Amino acid sequence: EAGVAQSPRYKIIEKRQSVAFWCNPISGHATLYWYQQILGQGPKLLIQFQNNGVVDDSQLPKDRFSAERLKGVDSTLKIQPAKLEDSAVYLCASSLDRGTGTDTQYFGPGTRLTVL
Amino acid sequence: AQKITQTQPGMFVQEKEAVTLDCTYDTSDQSYGLFWYKQPSSGEMIFLIYQGSYDEQNATEGRYSLNFQKARKSANLVISASQLGDSAMYFCAAGPLHFGNEKLTFGTGTRLTIIP
Repeated sequence: EAGVAQSPRYKIIEKRQSVAFWCNPISGHATLYWYQQILGQGPKLLIQFQNNGVVDDSQLPKDRFSAERLKGVDSTLKIQPAKLEDSAVYLCASSLDRGTGTDTQYFGPGTRLTVL
Repeated sequence: AQKITQTQPGMFVQEKEAVTLDCTYDTSDQSYGLFWYKQPSSGEMIFLIYQGSYDEQNATEGRYSLNFQKARKSANLVISASQLGDSAMYFCAAGPLHFGNEKLTFGTGTRLTIIP
């Protein structure tokens, strides 16, 4: 079974530029998550989708970050415009979400963003 | 809401020895799940083990076991017979057991280094 796919793996941009990350979850997984992991910290949830609906985006900086999951499968996270403090690893995860409790989240390899 | 505390920023352990990674949590939820993830230098978060707050027996997965002490609010990870490949960051995480809500809160992690 293929795991969670993410691209690109690395991205370097200058501040005020735009950037987009792509994620393809494990086949059949209804729930998709985007996390931000700043160096030296644990991952922080940015947004959670169930199918193509948003469940939680309370920690997403909506003035510059946006995310979509149009067909309930793959997802795109965008930052526009980027700031220096956005330098981090962006992790995508998915879970089966059978509704029987906390399902295990499976993570992709992440995208390491450097903002100069 | 949950708060996860991992007090060991780094640990050095001799190969083949057992190691215990500490994790304490604070939650207002009645039912919750506890997770441990491993993050090697490649960046991907690898699921290791899960414990539900309702489980009376400690979870085990191969060389991993979770020492769950509910009264102390601790969920320590025990790795038996450590191997060089165990060198990585380890994150403890917790989430509420609500239908369709799998939001996880992560600790700051412990960097484990196995010495040959």
